[in-house]
Amino acid sequence: EPEVTQTPSHQVTQMGQEVILRCVPISNHLYFYWYRQILGQKVEFLVSFYNNEISEKSEIFDDQFSVERPDGSNFTLKIRSTKLEDSAMYFCASLTSYGNEQFFGPGTRLTVL
Amino acid sequence: AQSVTQLGSHVSVSEGALVLLRCNYSSSVPPYLFWYVQYPNQGLQLLLKYTSAATLVKGINGFEAEFKKSETSFHLTKPSAHMSDAAEYFCAVTNTGNQFYFGTGTSLTVIP
Repeated sequence: EPEVTQTPSHQVTQMGQEVILRCVPISNHLYFYWYRQILGQKVEFLVSFYNNEISEKSEIFDDQFSVERPDGSNFTLKIRSTKLEDSAMYFCASLTSYGNEQFFGPGTRLTVL
Repeated sequence: AQSVTQLGSHVSVSEGALVLLRCNYSSSVPPYLFWYVQYPNQGLQLLLKYTSAATLVKGINGFEAEFKKSETSFHLTKPSAHMSDAAEYFCAVTNTGNQFYFGTGTSLTVIP
């Protein structure tokens, strides 16, 4: 069964460093998403992406964040200068053009020291 | 605007007892509703979803949920808890399939 994959599973970085979180959505999906979950809190929407552009973003998704689909398979989230409060689990999700169920990846745990 | 409220951040049940996890939603249009389960150090796994078909939805692992429009609820139930059901459960709502709004989650503990 096709699934969303994410790499790395755990990323540790120093405050101020740039990180790139990678996702490979399900191959025939057209809509892509990033969510984050701070430890012990709820899952929060960051951004949605369709047709090579951002279709919606939350207040959390400020100028430090960017997303990209550099090729036909990867979908990346970049945090330009990480802060301690960026420590969280980041989930990627994808959706077909006709469905309403988002398929989630296993997440990347980001730890900012 | 859409939102989800999950009553009870922690629920404990005995093994074999009924599981009831509560979810109330707010949506200005007919919603799609979902329950996801998250096991420790893992991602979100879909348990079941309501997409305007049958109001009683059956999911994996013996879980089911009933959509009640009059009560704006979508509570998750399982007749008999198993130790392996211990996890975090999230209710989510969307009206377009685009942005999902998640509840704060309910941690289920199953007591042997």
